[in-house]
Amino acid sequence: RKEVEQDPGPFNVPEGATVAFNCTYSNSASQSFFWYRQDCRKEPKLLMSVYSSGNEDGRFTAQLNRASQYISLLIRDSKLSDSATYLCVVNDDYKLSFGAGTTVTVRA
Amino acid sequence: GAVVSQHPSWVICKSGTSVKIECRSLDFQATTMFWYRQFPKQSLMLMATSNEGSKATYEQGVEKDKFLINHASLTLSTLTVTSAHPEDSSFYICSTRPASVYNEQFFGPGTRLTVL
Repeated sequence: RKEVEQDPGPFNVPEGATVAFNCTYSNSASQSFFWYRQDCRKEPKLLMSVYSSGNEDGRFTAQLNRASQYISLLIRDSKLSDSATYLCVVNDDYKLSFGAGTTVTVRA
Repeated sequence: GAVVSQHPSWVICKSGTSVKIECRSLDFQATTMFWYRQFPKQSLMLMATSNEGSKATYEQGVEKDKFLINHASLTLSTLTVTSAHPEDSSFYICSTRPASVYNEQFFGPGTRLTVL
């Protein structure tokens, strides 16, 4: 079983739409959680950390459910520039485990 | 944010040759650096943890004699793919963080290796 699993998508949405997707993780002792964004052939970049109470950063909202061991990301009012692969990342003792990513394509 | 560089950004080589990839922290010291490999449409897989002044720690299934890691200074780690074969073709990325930053890893821009 993979440590971090994500729906690969792709999610094809029109501009302005809301898109949401989840990831699940296998280690119940995992300590911290993140969403990274990776553009084609580029390195991952931190989008946001995910806190237990849920948190929002502009149009992006992240939720954590420790009981069910899943993390979600919601993008509101999507922009063309949101097209990317979103990586769910789990931190165990400062080692990062990555999901394979969820691809989002926003169309005009 | 902290800046991490990698060199080269891409390399094409013949099967059987060795390729060295450098990872540098440009504005901070990094006692630990991580090396990842990413195949198309797959997740980043941690290969090894590079520790300044000591031996690297390799993940299960990664051959330490094939992927040589040297972390001789606080700003430079190198990964050498020895006797590269086509199946080693991949995107190699390093990451690290300043000691004062706990919740974010900073990634190098990656090196795309193609072995013919």
